[in-house]
Formats: sequence, structure tokens, C-alpha cells
Amino acid sequence: QSALTQPASVSGSPGQSITISCTGTSSDVGSYNLVSWYQQHPGKAPKLMIYEVSKRPSGVSNRFSGSKSGNTASLTISGLQAEDEADYYCCSYAGSSTVFGTGTKVTVL
Amino acid sequence: EVQLVESGGGLVKPGGSLRLSCAASGFTFSSYSMNWVRQAPGKGLEWVSSISSSSSYIYYADSVKGRFTISRDNAKNSLYLQMNSLRAEDTAVYYCAREDQLPLDYWGQGTLVTVSS
Repeated sequence: QSALTQPASVSGSPGQSITISCTGTSSDVGSYNLVSWYQQHPGKAPKLMIYEVSKRPSGVSNRFSGSKSGNTASLTISGLQAEDEADYYCCSYAGSSTVFGTGTKVTVL
Repeated sequence: EVQLVESGGGLVKPGGSLRLSCAASGFTFSSYSMNWVRQAPGKGLEWVSSISSSSSYIYYADSVKGRFTISRDNAKNSLYLQMNSLRAEDTAVYYCAREDQLPLDYWGQGTLVTVSS
């Protein structure tokens, strides 16, 4: 049950696109299309942004998109906005457990 | 509107016990698996435990196995986490979250557990 690996921080200017990677193993990310992404603002509960690798819940902006290749999943935020500044966590099913990523702080310059 | 409200957090000494509760409303509680996820101060999210809708399937993170017990009462729309043999490293905000075939789609606001002498 080791945490999935994410970059500690990613930054971009308003309007730019950024991508956050999430690297797991063949026991989690690589074996299941059950990768989800969560956004967390300081002092707030996490919010589901992407599920099943690339699906968006109702109400989530289409600026957020997800993908997966092998053991690595990715979250792309296009048209970066100030409100996107937050922590982002990936998450994967891993058989009889669930594993989160280490988290990435997104900074809008 | 889906609502999840955690309670029961507080200050407890190492080796002590605490029982967290999560009151659910706005959806058919008995139809969903539920999870506990925690976040230590300034740290990332850590999955703790999950329980299926009928309590048939229960899973724990290795870090809490044998010390924590998850349970639910579908008649009371409530989820619980009994935490025994608490350690300093269990200090965290504990969130309950609804599971919709793995994505955790709704989260409570969390309850803080502090383990300190």
C-alpha cells in the first residue's frame, strides 16, 4: 500500500495548461481503470474532479481532463485560472484497498 | 442534497480509544459503500478503511489493521470508526466519504483527532 507518486508542485500562468502525473504500479494504476482525482483547497474537504481515469462529474469544468498510460495517470488543467490553485491528489483502486497519491500543489503564477 | 457530518473527534492520550461517527443524509445510505480517509496536519490524504453497503466486505489500511474497526448502522444512516490503541501518528483530520464504485464522490468536512499526552 505505497502511495502513488506525484510531483510535489506544478505551476503555470493564467490561461496556460499544466499536467500532473501520478505513477503507481501494475498492482494499482496499471491494473484498473479506477483512477480518480481530487482537488483540495486549504481547510476544505477534497472534491472529486475526475473518475474512472477520464470521466468528469456533473458540474466539473471541462478544463479538467484525465488520461492513463501503463502505470501512470495524468490530470491536465487547461486554461489555468486563479481558482485552480489548490492541492490535487490522484487515487487508485488496488484490489482490496485504495491508495492515494502524494499530492501536488498547483500554483497559479 | 448529500450531507455527511462527522463527529467524535478530540484529544486522546496515546494508547487510548475514540469512536468517530458520520451521519449521512440526502441519499439512500444503505445502497452505498462508505470510506474513512484521514489527513495528518500538513500532509496528504491516506485511505483508512471501507465498508460495503451491507457490511459484507470490510477493508483496512495496513497502518490501522487490528486497531481500528469500521461499522455502519443502515437504520440510523450512520457510519462509525472505532479507534483503539491510538498512536501519535494517528493524529489527523478524519473524513467520511461516500463511495460510488470507487470514486469517493461526496466527503464530509472532517473531524480532528489529536493523540497526545
